[in-house]
Amino acid sequence: DQQVKQNSPSLSVQEGRISILNCDYTNSMFDYFLWYKKYPAEGPTFLISISSIKDKNEDGRFTVFLNKSAKHLSLHIVPSQPGDSAVYFCAARSGGSNYKLTFGKGTLLTVNP
Amino acid sequence: DAGITQSPRHKVTETGTPVTLRCHQTENHRYMYWYRQDPGHGLRLIHYSYGVKDTDKGEVSDGYSVSRSKTEDFLLTLESATSSQTSVYFCAISEGAVQETQYFGPGTRLLVL
Repeated sequence: DQQVKQNSPSLSVQEGRISILNCDYTNSMFDYFLWYKKYPAEGPTFLISISSIKDKNEDGRFTVFLNKSAKHLSLHIVPSQPGDSAVYFCAARSGGSNYKLTFGKGTLLTVNP
Repeated sequence: DAGITQSPRHKVTETGTPVTLRCHQTENHRYMYWYRQDPGHGLRLIHYSYGVKDTDKGEVSDGYSVSRSKTEDFLLTLESATSSQTSVYFCAISEGAVQETQYFGPGTRLLVL
């Protein structure tokens, strides 16, 4: 049973446009959500996070939106740059779970020049 | 970047042989994790540690064991490697506080022939 779902395996956008990556979850006990970016042959790197008590968090070109009623979060990248091309993983943590994360399968973002 | 190293970075081994992967951190973080990444599966937790000699299973722990005798080192052992354990293995660390982020190492690519 997949508790964190990234239903789009890939996404292609033009440089300068907005990239929107989506993530759905099923476990209502999740209280903290993170996005990681991964380049080939490297480890995942932390990008941005959001607590369940918020509905939006911004960091430069990156914004994460959380809709708790829909159990949905999204990552917006504006403007998209070719260097943003990577696999993006959504992750969620359940309160009191010894800080274990549950990851989605990832979305490959390609930003075309 | 968090001070996390993994060794070896690449390994080729034969079915039935034991294999040990090492994760070393210089951050003095309490929590350490081992994940595997496979196409179509994202990142899956194998085992984690919440302190020296304190470990617990993740979602895909069968065929793996771990040990943590020092804060800075977390070892993952495949007692008898199988081809299904061919994967990329990532170590991660976190301080373990509420809303804490996990930071990942560069990964070990393991091929079991």
